[in-house]
Amino acid sequence: EVQLVQSGAEVKKPGESLKISCKGSGYSFTSYWIGWVRQMPGKGLEWMGIIYPGDSDTRYSPSFQGQVTISADKSISTAYLQWSSLKASDTAMYYCVRLGDSSGYLVFGDYWGQGTLVTVSS
Amino acid sequence: EIVMTQSPATLSVSPGERATLSCRASQSVSSNLAWYQQKPGQAPRLLIYGASTRATGIPARFSGSGSGTEFTLTISSLQSEDFAVYYCQQYNNWPPAPFFGQGTKLEIK
Repeated sequence: EVQLVQSGAEVKKPGESLKISCKGSGYSFTSYWIGWVRQMPGKGLEWMGIIYPGDSDTRYSPSFQGQVTISADKSISTAYLQWSSLKASDTAMYYCVRLGDSSGYLVFGDYWGQGTLVTVSS
Repeated sequence: EIVMTQSPATLSVSPGERATLSCRASQSVSSNLAWYQQKPGQAPRLLIYGASTRATGIPARFSGSGSGTEFTLTISSLQSEDFAVYYCQQYNNWPPAPFFGQGTKLEIK
């Protein structure tokens, strides 16, 4: 069974750094792209970027380029999303998603993690 | 940037009836269109990709159609568990970014 298990909820202050994780199991982690999707409170869904754990090829949506860093450690089947300096506007639910297509160009998600709620407040 | 517009914003339908949700793209996305279902407090779930292919484990009452700029998700006979928010997403132009529609809330009439 394919599973993506994300790290737990976080409460941080503006300016702090954060790294959240997503552990894949039940499939070959290095053979599928992993993406991150943001959902701000009461709002819709936004793709942030994707990574291919096999070689760490990473692509960002323009809105998130330079704002976050996506990485992966294939030895432990885990992908990461990190911020160096959080803002209140980063408050959101973040989902990791396995891409349903192996090319990295057809970006839709066939399996989703349970989500990590990040709250940034002073 | 391709803008995805879903209609209606809210759809009220009785259990057992058919629901038809629409999604329009501001320019052609070919058949590179996916539909997701999201229930409160849960992650989205992939229903349809390639505009009309059901994802693994999705019941046959869910069907997708369309190509180019006009797409439809049809739920043939609504069950209680189908009341949720539905998002369409185009993935024809990555990069720069694949965009979701704003969602349609399907509620019980």
